[in-house]
Amino acid sequence: QVQLVESGGGVVQPGRSLRLSCEASGFTFSSYGMHWVRQAPGKGLEWVALISSDGSNKYFGDPVKGRFSISRDNSKNTLYLQMNSLSAEDTAVYYCAKSIFTAVAGTVDYWGQGTLVTVSS
Amino acid sequence: DIQMTQSPSSLSASVGDRITITCRASQGISNYLAWFQQKPGKAPRSLIYAASSLQSGVPSKFSGSGSGTDFTLTISSLQPEDFATYYCQQYNSYPLTFGGGTKVEIK
Repeated sequence: QVQLVESGGGVVQPGRSLRLSCEASGFTFSSYGMHWVRQAPGKGLEWVALISSDGSNKYFGDPVKGRFSISRDNSKNTLYLQMNSLSAEDTAVYYCAKSIFTAVAGTVDYWGQGTLVTVSS
Repeated sequence: DIQMTQSPSSLSASVGDRITITCRASQGISNYLAWFQQKPGKAPRSLIYAASSLQSGVPSKFSGSGSGTDFTLTISSLQPEDFATYYCQQYNSYPLTFGGGTKVEIK
């Protein structure tokens, strides 16, 4: 069965950096695009980023463009989100999610359990 | 960016009721529309993609319809486990965007 396990969340000071990881199993990781989606406390879902199956194409939401980067290591079945210049507005639960199709475009079908990032001094 | 507007933002319903949630896109998105369910403290669950296709394992009481700018999610007979928040998402163009959510509560 598909499993996505995020890690790396925690409390970080404003302006600092943090890297999240998402370890995948139960499917051919290298064949699917992968997403990050976040949810601020008490708020709705916000799409953050997408990376294609081979890592050659990357897309970002407007609030994180230029500050966040997405990458993957297909040999380790792991997805990453590098978050720089963090601010309080980045405080959220971060979910990784698997693309429903092998093509780059598309929505998601499976979600991880999420990891909480708190930006606070 | 494409804006997704859900209505209502909340609704109260009874077990056994049939409910419909609406999602409107600010521009045409063909059928590139997904629906998700989220319960408090839990990760979202994918319900529907391509406006009307059920994700694997999702019961047939959930159905979706629409194309272009107007979409609906219908739950045919509400059960206690269906009380949750529902989100639509367009994936026609980047950035992908979600609706604000519809909270379905017990009357």
